[in-house]
Amino acid sequence: GDSVTQMEGPVTLSEEAFLTINCTYTATGYPSLFWYVQYPGEGLQLLLKATKADDKGSNKGFEATYRKETTSFHLEKGSVQVSDSAVYFCALHTGGFKTIFGAGTRLFVKA
Amino acid sequence: KAGVTQTPRYLIKTRGQQVTLSCSPISGHRSVSWYQQTPGQGLQFLFEYFSETQRNKGNFPGRFSGRQFSNSRSEMNVSTLELGDSALYLCASSLDPREQFFGPGTRLTVL
Repeated sequence: GDSVTQMEGPVTLSEEAFLTINCTYTATGYPSLFWYVQYPGEGLQLLLKATKADDKGSNKGFEATYRKETTSFHLEKGSVQVSDSAVYFCALHTGGFKTIFGAGTRLFVKA
Repeated sequence: KAGVTQTPRYLIKTRGQQVTLSCSPISGHRSVSWYQQTPGQGLQFLFEYFSETQRNKGNFPGRFSGRQFSNSRSEMNVSTLELGDSALYLCASSLDPREQFFGPGTRLTVL
């Protein structure tokens, strides 16, 4: 069945460091891919998305490129801030009526 | 535009009781999905409703049920509560089935 695998956390970085959170997927068909972010005490918010191969989603300095050949959608940011501390979820949607989420990766950014 | 609202935000129940959680989607959104979030299992899909019809269901026992009203508001019900039902219950609404907007969640504690 369809699935999403994310790197385990927590990931701890210093402010202004480069961030990569790996995400790979297994899916039949041509899924849309998403990154959601969850701040403490809140629900999930859509961070960025890509709907077809080679698309790059970007928002708030975060980027991810839909790589069909490697079935990956890694999240990157060039310079993280303390305010980026949160849990990040990779997700896919294949056209059925549900979205499949990865386990989430917790990010801590130290000042 | 108002976001997704969930009530109540916090709930404490005892084993064997039942509980009803409510979700009001963003105006115009006809799809509502429910998820259970726990530290051990991550985000687990419960069910999805569109125009009062359940279109998809996750792998949860029959104690978990839901419904959607003609105004798209949705409720989920858990009967005969167990300790393991303690979780954050998230509701998400969508216009485009791929992109979901989440509420802040209802934190259920079962004692």
